[in-house]
Amino acid sequence: ETGVTQTPRHLVMGMTNKKSLKCEQHLGHNAMYWYKQSAKKPLELMFVYNFKEQTENNSVPSRFSPECPNSSHLFLHLHTLQPEDSALYLCASSQDWAPITIQQYFGPGTRLTVT
Amino acid sequence: DQQVKQNSPSLSVQEGRISILNCDYTNSMFDYFLWYKKYPAEGPTFLISISSIKDKNEDGRFTVFLNKSAKHLSLHIVPSQPGDSAVYFCAASAKTGANNLFFGTGTRLTVIP
Repeated sequence: ETGVTQTPRHLVMGMTNKKSLKCEQHLGHNAMYWYKQSAKKPLELMFVYNFKEQTENNSVPSRFSPECPNSSHLFLHLHTLQPEDSALYLCASSQDWAPITIQQYFGPGTRLTVT
Repeated sequence: DQQVKQNSPSLSVQEGRISILNCDYTNSMFDYFLWYKKYPAEGPTFLISISSIKDKNEDGRFTVFLNKSAKHLSLHIVPSQPGDSAVYFCAASAKTGANNLFFGTGTRLTVIP
């Protein structure tokens, strides 16, 4: 595998379910990101991890819980989501975190539907 | 309120002609701008960037122009090729001390053979 991979690619879950999204990067990068893209809205940065440490949390509700066990893996744990959380969730990585404008490499995304 | 706006959701261009994609921003603190391209079922890929100390940056068929006074940037693709058909996102940030990267909603470019 090369680049940034995400699993699953599609996920349908009920509001009472608990699920996790997984992201893995094979680029040797030190920073990883979670983005959310809702329909007809711009990509929104959710979380930033640098060397496994969370550096940014852009006012994301606690029903989204990130985990970064090492620099290559990033998870997004989901619980008691709302239908408005249905979106495309994209993971990205970059060589370093700062500056945030450094080129980021994106995975293909997980299309999440909350019913 | 969106700080980066791409007001044209779609654009169609004949192969060989120039494609011009536009982007406007509202935050005068932004000093670094990027363009990403996205094909269906794939993640965005970096295309080209520009710092606010420049007004033009060129990479092959792709050129980005920055007009700071108008808070406007544009991406020119010339000549356009069918493989350029994709969604193009512009993004902006304050390079120093920034903690967020702001994206536009994207423009879908279709290059007609």
